[in-house]
Amino acid sequence: GQSLEQPSEVTAVEGAIVQINCTYQTSGFYGLSWYQQHDGGAPTFLSYNALDGLEETGRFSSFLSRSDSYGYLLLQELQMKDSASYFCAVNQGGKLIFGQGTELSVKP
Amino acid sequence: EAGVAQSPRYKIIEKRQSVAFWCNPISGHATLYWYQQILGQGPKLLIQFQNNGVVDDSQLPKDRFSAERLKGVDSTLKIQPAKLEDSAVYLCASSPRTGSRYEQYFGPGTRLTVT
Repeated sequence: GQSLEQPSEVTAVEGAIVQINCTYQTSGFYGLSWYQQHDGGAPTFLSYNALDGLEETGRFSSFLSRSDSYGYLLLQELQMKDSASYFCAVNQGGKLIFGQGTELSVKP
Repeated sequence: EAGVAQSPRYKIIEKRQSVAFWCNPISGHATLYWYQQILGQGPKLLIQFQNNGVVDDSQLPKDRFSAERLKGVDSTLKIQPAKLEDSAVYLCASSPRTGSRYEQYFGPGTRLTVT
């Protein structure tokens, strides 16, 4: 079977750093993607890791360890607008298998 | 660049009725996806098209769901007849071509309520 595990909720304060973990068990793994979805909005692409290591894009970074079937999304200098759901998704050559999502609440 | 367009944005129907959703992908994008997102869950892939051919429809409930992509551009997803458990947001996404390194661009979705 295929499964992805990520925390259901995370709360942090403005300006802080938060890490959202994702572990996966799938076949046909090409890479790990992260998407952000605001309430009532469309998912938007944040990052993609095909190889082990850290990818940095502005305030967001994503990490992958293929040997551990584990990745995380790191959000720095949190802002109120970062309050949203964050999904990790296993990429199977263009097909995405999404996790259940982590709802991030940023408090002032 | 215009994004992925979907209509209608909202639809309320009674169980056993039929409904259709429309999607217009980003111009030039060869790959089109339909997802179902139930409240509180991640999107679940229903069907993937490459141009006008089906790449993956393994999770499409074919007894009631159908989809087509005529001329490799617009796509429609139909449910006939609808069940209560079909209440969800139906998301359309597109990407330049299939392959893991191509991000998917999502439309705003159609929120379906089946009563």
